[in-house]
Amino acid sequence: DTAVSQTPKYLVTQMGNDKSIKCEQNLGHDTMYWYKQDSKKFLKIMFSYNNKELIINETVPNRFSPKSPDKAHLNLHINSLELGDSAVYFCASSQYGLAGETQYFGPGTRLLVL
Amino acid sequence: AQTVTQSQPEMSVQEAETVTLSCTYDTSESDYYLFWYKQPPSRQMILVIRQEAYKQQNATENRFSVNFQKAAKSFSLKISDSQLGDAAMYFCAYRSNTGNQFYFGTGTSLTVIP
Repeated sequence: DTAVSQTPKYLVTQMGNDKSIKCEQNLGHDTMYWYKQDSKKFLKIMFSYNNKELIINETVPNRFSPKSPDKAHLNLHINSLELGDSAVYFCASSQYGLAGETQYFGPGTRLLVL
Repeated sequence: AQTVTQSQPEMSVQEAETVTLSCTYDTSESDYYLFWYKQPPSRQMILVIRQEAYKQQNATENRFSVNFQKAAKSFSLKISDSQLGDAAMYFCAYRSNTGNQFYFGTGTSLTVIP
């Protein structure tokens, strides 16, 4: 009965590779997000989708491409991975107009680029 | 953009005692939402408490309560009867009533001393 799930939980890869992280929510929410948490624990929004449409696109290298096949899924594809991409990536979801649009987070994906 | 400041990078509290974590924010809006999230070593981001700016009454959730001072733009979290399981990183967050973006503070690492 996991509300927001991410796969994989851990990802170790070489520089230059392409990788994807998947996110699914079963809360019926219409908005999903990707955050990056660096080694100092700072949380930075990367993208947000509402009903499969991109609504927030912060300054992120275009090597990062989100894809939302439906409103329950938001995947993150990263091309040509760099050392600086190593971080924990969190997916979150919320429902427009509900409870202050509280965001519910997935367990995170720890990405290590070697 | 709104900013959220947590001026205490680290705090510690004796088990069963009370601790208060500080948060201030900068905004010109009158209607917004404030949140405290907890991130234990498991990395999961867990909602602790939520406050609507239009409500004068401070939110409470069991041992967790807030002191919301709208004029001072302050939103502190009080943890009573601290338990070992409260040890975590705590993030304060702000969400405007318009737009989907959350603004997170830099976090306060709480240690609970047995």
